[in-house]
Order: sequence, then C-alpha cells, then structure tokens
Amino acid sequence: VQLVESGGGVVQPGRSLRLSCAASGFTFNKHAMHWVRQAPGKGLEWVADILYDGSIEYYADSVKGRFTISRDNSKNTLFLQMNSLRAEDTALYYCVREPHSSSFHLDYWGQGTLVTVSS
Amino acid sequence: SYVLTQPPSVSVAPGKTARITCGGHNIGSKSVHWYHQKPRQVPVVVIYDDSDRPSGIPERFSGSNSGNTATLTISRVEAGDEADYYCQVWDRGSDHWVFGGGTKLTVL
Repeated sequence: VQLVESGGGVVQPGRSLRLSCAASGFTFNKHAMHWVRQAPGKGLEWVADILYDGSIEYYADSVKGRFTISRDNSKNTLFLQMNSLRAEDTALYYCVREPHSSSFHLDYWGQGTLVTVSS
Repeated sequence: SYVLTQPPSVSVAPGKTARITCGGHNIGSKSVHWYHQKPRQVPVVVIYDDSDRPSGIPERFSGSNSGNTATLTISRVEAGDEADYYCQVWDRGSDHWVFGGGTKLTVL
C-alpha cells in the first residue's frame, strides 16, 4: 500500500490550494478515504472523508463550507480542494485509508504534504 | 461534538507497565482505536476495536474500554515505545471522526 500526497506549499490567507493523493498497492475503489491534518507540534485532527464510491462526504466543522474532498477512482487519486484558507489551516495533511471492514479506524497513512498559510 | 480527553503525558520506567487513558461520555458504547506516532514518523494503529492488535504489534500492547474510559496498556515498556499516543472514535451522532489530544509517553 502506498499513499503519496502532493500539492502542499505556502499560500496567502484567503487563497486556495488543491491537494492530491496517489494511491497504489490496493483496490482503491473499495475503500473510504480520509484527510487528517497535524499542525506543527500539535495533535491529529480529522478533516474529511469520502465513501469508496464518492457518494457521500463528511467534514469537520472547522473546514465545512471551505474544503471539498473528492476522488477519481479511474485514476486511484484522492483530492482535497481547500478554499478561503486561514492561518489555522497550516498543517501537515495526511491522506489516510480506512480498511474495507466494519471497523472505523485508519490503517495506512501517507507521509503527508505541508500546507503553510501565511502572508 | 464528541470530545476525547487524554492526559498530556505519562512517564514510566523500563520494564514497567504504562497505562494511557482516554475519557469520553459513555465511550464504552463506542469502538476505540489507538495510534502511536514516533518522532518524525506517521501514525501507526496499535489497537483497534477496543482491544484487537494488528499484525506486527507486540502482545505487550492491549486495550480495554468501559463506562467513560478507554485504556491502552503497554506491558514491559521499552525505550522504543516512546511516542505520542492518540485514541480515536467514530461518533455516529455526527458522522465525525474524533481524535484525543494525544499523550506523550516518556520512558525514564
């Protein structure tokens, strides 16, 4: 299983950024996928998840209305569109797989891509 | 929204037993999962569904969950167990995934 995030960088407050996560080594379209972030020196914060077929999405209150999670199962890729970015969105963003089971935990994590929101 | 509370830090001598708690309202009715994150590494699940261990995780790691507290127990602690530990649940009421604030385990 490999999850490789990209798209992070430095962006000004109020601007947008789109993260991608290329998945390989497993049947992507059978797994729900998540974005989890970690601000520098802080704990883990769940951001969003999307069902295996892209039919349903859920968001943390802190990003709802600003971030959109999506996926392209034909390209084994997960996305996170981030709009109206704020300083508090600065974090390492992980792409994470949920196992194909009835257990609501996370079994494989990417290395993360760093997003810095600063003027 | 559902809140999980962990102690910021726990210290233990090598060879002893470490217990890390995770508090939440009626958490015993939920499935609790535990992750450790060593410095500059990604999180790794060490316990899922309260007490199940993924393959590759030593038997020294165990979990329990009842009432308002879930507990991760690490027996015969080793220096390599030093890490941040996070509990996590799925909150059915909000469809949100929730992490505890994390506990830094220090091996003295």
